[in-house]
Amino acid sequence: QQQVKQSPQSLIVQKGGISIINCAYENTAFDYFPWYQQFPGKGPALLIAIRPDVSEKKEGRFTISFNKSAKQFSLHIMDSQPGDSATYFCAASQPSTGAGSYQLTFGKGTKLSVIP
Amino acid sequence: ETGVTQTPRHLVMGMTNKKSLKCEQHLGHNAMYWYKQSAKKPLELMFVYNFKEQTENNSVPSRFSPECPNSSHLFLHLHTLQPEDSALYLCASSQDEREVFYGYTFGSGTRLTVV
Repeated sequence: QQQVKQSPQSLIVQKGGISIINCAYENTAFDYFPWYQQFPGKGPALLIAIRPDVSEKKEGRFTISFNKSAKQFSLHIMDSQPGDSATYFCAASQPSTGAGSYQLTFGKGTKLSVIP
Repeated sequence: ETGVTQTPRHLVMGMTNKKSLKCEQHLGHNAMYWYKQSAKKPLELMFVYNFKEQTENNSVPSRFSPECPNSSHLFLHLHTLQPEDSALYLCASSQDEREVFYGYTFGSGTRLTVV
């Protein structure tokens, strides 16, 4: 059972447009929701993250919108640029039942292509 | 060196070989992880170490054997792998306390090909 569902699988956006990637979760114990960006040949890098006590977080051109009642969160990339072309992963975490470690559950990823 | 460093970057091995992947973190984190990334699949958690103690083994086959000699180093020992084990293996680290948990820092991964 996939705990974090991400859509779309791929996305093509024109330069200057808005890219929107959506994620949904079921586990109400999740308390941290990061987005990761991965370029080919590199590991994922933390882009932006939110905790459920706020509904929106903005960092530059990147915004997370969070809807706790709907158990959904999304990434908006404003003024998308060709350099934003990458795979984006949403994730969610809760404390594990182990020795207090926080484990991230990832979505399947969205491949974003920004065309000039 | 900063961040999380993984070596080697690429590895080709036969099914009867034994090899090891190495990960080193320079961030002072207390938790380290191995993930497997295959095409068109979510990132799969393999192992978690917290303060050098293994806290999770996500039903990983015994042909994968982790080792964490200290909180900065993590190894993944490989033996008698199968072609379906070909993937990108990612190491990550984190500071594992709720007040300061800011997700993981990943290394660049080892691209493993089993022939």
